[in-house]
Amino acid sequence: GQSLEQPSEVTAVEGAIVQINCTYQTSGFYGLSWYQQHDGGAPTFLSYNALDGLEETGRFSSFLSRSDSYGYLLLQELQMKDSASYFCAVRDEGGGFKTIFGAGTRLFVKA
Amino acid sequence: ETGVTQTPRHLVMGMTNKKSLKCEQHLGHNAMYWYKQSAKKPLELMFVYNFKEQTENNSVPSRFSPECPNSSHLFLHLHTLQPEDSALYLCASSQGDNEQFFGPGTRLTVL
Repeated sequence: GQSLEQPSEVTAVEGAIVQINCTYQTSGFYGLSWYQQHDGGAPTFLSYNALDGLEETGRFSSFLSRSDSYGYLLLQELQMKDSASYFCAVRDEGGGFKTIFGAGTRLFVKA
Repeated sequence: ETGVTQTPRHLVMGMTNKKSLKCEQHLGHNAMYWYKQSAKKPLELMFVYNFKEQTENNSVPSRFSPECPNSSHLFLHLHTLQPEDSALYLCASSQGDNEQFFGPGTRLTVL
């Protein structure tokens, strides 16, 4: 079947760096996205990788290795407001608009 | 109104009721999506519409019936639901296969 695996929970302290990993097993691959969702809120887009390598957007960076079916989201200079759930998602190449999501990683940032 | 809006935000219904969820996007996007989000599970894609045409039906039971009268509006008609259908139902939109913008969701409870 098709699946994305990511840790269920991660805890870190303010100012630290945290990496959230995602491995995927899908029939097609058209890019890896990351979304953030605060409690009671809607998922919001963070980043997208279609090609191997690192994409940097401010404090957040995302990495992809297509040969390893693996990616990660790197959050630097953690702030309390970064406490949220983070989802990786794969666009299924064959489905056009079909997107498969991971179960999400709950990040707790402590003072 | 901006972005993606959903109504109602909360809905409690009995198994014999018929209700509808509404989604509206003010972003000029061509694709709209329905997702189901249950606790500790991945977001499950239910339906996708592109320019009002359904492009994905992810083996969703017939008690869920989508309707897309135009590119800005999406409905999910519900009838004879089961308690296990209780979840957060999220609507999203995108321009082509780019990043998805999510609405705040409808929290549905089936008694």
